[in-house]
Amino acid sequence: GQNIDQPTEMTATEGAIVQINCTYQTSGFNGLFWYQQHAGEAPTFLSYNVLDGLEEKGRFSSFLSRSKGYSYLLLKELQMKDSASYLCAVLDSNYQLIWGAGTKLIIKP
Amino acid sequence: DAGITQSPRHKVTETGTPVTLRCHQTENHRYMYWYRQDPGHGLRLIHYSYGVKDTDKGEVSDGYSVSRSKTEDFLLTLESATSSQTSVYFCAISEDGTSGNEQFFGPGTRLTVL
Repeated sequence: GQNIDQPTEMTATEGAIVQINCTYQTSGFNGLFWYQQHAGEAPTFLSYNVLDGLEEKGRFSSFLSRSKGYSYLLLKELQMKDSASYLCAVLDSNYQLIWGAGTKLIIKP
Repeated sequence: DAGITQSPRHKVTETGTPVTLRCHQTENHRYMYWYRQDPGHGLRLIHYSYGVKDTDKGEVSDGYSVSRSKTEDFLLTLESATSSQTSVYFCAISEDGTSGNEQFFGPGTRLTVL
């Protein structure tokens, strides 16, 4: 079967750095997405990785290792508004997105 | 923001009644998707469409049907609602479903089946 694993919840301090991990086992791989979802709202796109390595976009970076079936999202200089759930999703061989259950990130002052 | 709306935003219905949710887009994107989101689960694909009158099943399609008669509208119908279909339903759109194009999500519909 297909599986995406992420930690259920993480806590970090305002101004700090946090890394959210995602491991996957899917039938095929056509890229990995990270989305942010604030409580009660729709998911919004953060990043897309299809090749190994690090993609940096402002305070957010995303890393991919296809051989290890592993990705992480790195958030720097955390702000209170970063409190949200972070969803990892893999585009499988049928070009359907397989989603993890999400990681709820709690930021403390 | 992508122009995508869902209606209704909230609905309470009774077991056994039919329910139709509507997704409307103004982006002229080819692909449209219906997902449900439940606590402890990732988003799960119900049905998707890759063009007018072209639809296919997703992971959790039992008990659901869809229709797309116009590019801008994608309807999700619960033929006979059950309590297990209580969920938040999201519609999403993308330009191209076979590449790394991101999906844009509507605001969601919270459905409660009593």
